[in-house]
Amino acid sequence: NAGVMQNPRHLVRRRGQEARLRCSPMKGHSHVYWYRQLPEEGLKFMVYLQKENIIDESGMPKERFSAEFPKEGPSILRIQQVVRGDSAAYFCASAARTTPNYGYTFGSGTRLTVV
Amino acid sequence: KQEVTQIPAALSVPEGENLVLNCSFTDSAIYNLQWFRQDPGKGLTSLLLIQSSQREQTSGRLNASLDKSSGRSTLYIAASQPGDSATYLCAVPLLMDSNYQLIWGAGTKLIIKP
Repeated sequence: NAGVMQNPRHLVRRRGQEARLRCSPMKGHSHVYWYRQLPEEGLKFMVYLQKENIIDESGMPKERFSAEFPKEGPSILRIQQVVRGDSAAYFCASAARTTPNYGYTFGSGTRLTVV
Repeated sequence: KQEVTQIPAALSVPEGENLVLNCSFTDSAIYNLQWFRQDPGKGLTSLLLIQSSQREQTSGRLNASLDKSSGRSTLYIAASQPGDSATYLCAVPLLMDSNYQLIWGAGTKLIIKP
């Protein structure tokens, strides 16, 4: 079991470009969470997805950000028209269940730099 | 609204010393509290998860305590080693209707000097 796989590890985009971040959950995990870590800050919840459904996107900016978790393939976090303030580490986590006792398994993150 | 604070933001100690990292939370009605380790440029590793009914959890040289009434948790690291250098994060779950999300502290960056 390879764990939660995120790619790319590092991503550099110019202002106005699109960023696509991918997350493959652990085998058998159907719950995916995305968190963002701004420099010198704690992680902040963005979105929670199950296969083909967005369950909770309360932490995601209303504009330019979108997420999906298709029936086949990885979960994608898409940021359109990136700005410097989007520079951060984006972490994906997966879980087999949604009760806190079981915890998440985190990926290594994607570090987005907008230049 | 739950807020999680970690003090100090950074700590540097000589190798071999015992040390304590602090985590405080504003709403004592927590389900559990989890400590993570984050190495530079890498992901998050879960260290200890302490349930609300527990007072402490131990794993090797690590011991986490929880005092819900005072809204505090500590992570005790015994006989520190250079390999313990990392950022340590604490988090508590915020239960939503159909899932939960983690509320995080900003972390304590720990440097163990050889």
